Amino acid sequence: GENVEQHPSTLSVQEGDSAVIKCTYSDSASNYFPWYKQELGKRPQLIIDIRSNVGEKKDQRIAVTLNKTAKHFSLHITETQPEDSAVYFCAALNSGYSTLTFGKGTMLLVSP
Amino acid sequence: NAGVTQTPKFHILKIGQSMTLQCTQDMNHNYMYWYRQDPGMGLKLIYYSVGAGITDKGEVPNGYNVSRSTTEDFPLRLELAAPSQTSVYFCATRPPGGRNTGELFFGEGSRLTVL
Repeated sequence: GENVEQHPSTLSVQEGDSAVIKCTYSDSASNYFPWYKQELGKRPQLIIDIRSNVGEKKDQRIAVTLNKTAKHFSLHITETQPEDSAVYFCAALNSGYSTLTFGKGTMLLVSP
Repeated sequence: NAGVTQTPKFHILKIGQSMTLQCTQDMNHNYMYWYRQDPGMGLKLIYYSVGAGITDKGEVPNGYNVSRSTTEDFPLRLELAAPSQTSVYFCATRPPGGRNTGELFFGEGSRLTVL
């Protein structure tokens, strides 16, 4: 089955810095890659996603890039703010389109 | 619309007891999932369903059972609870559309402690 590796497990940045979280996946047939943000004690919520027919997608301060050849995708957050502090999960939709496999998560801490 | 509703939000169970976590949705989504999230860890898939009457095992199904008699409901049953089942359980749904729709909609979670 699909295997998703996520790095780093924790990331501390100063407010205003950029943050990058990287994921790799194993199933070359996977074609949909979402990113979820989970604040403490809350449910995960989708923040951005990318499909295999594009290499990059942006939404204000967040962007996701995808390299299908290398089977990796990354989340980029620019001008980080304290409210960006949360756990971020990457995921990949399996080739049968029925389940998502999640990475283990990255705890992002943005210090004022 | 309530979205995805899970009950109970919190529960303490004794070792060996059984219980059912309820999940109901009003979005008419075909796909439903149960994930568990251990402290500081990611989401592991327990069971999923692609429609009423169909269920499949995920990554960590042992000690759990599910049923899907209606589109709306997807209860998760814990049999003979063990401390290793202490976790936060999330129910999630996904709309139909196969490869073109991947977004999961999560419930608020059920925090279960087994003592």
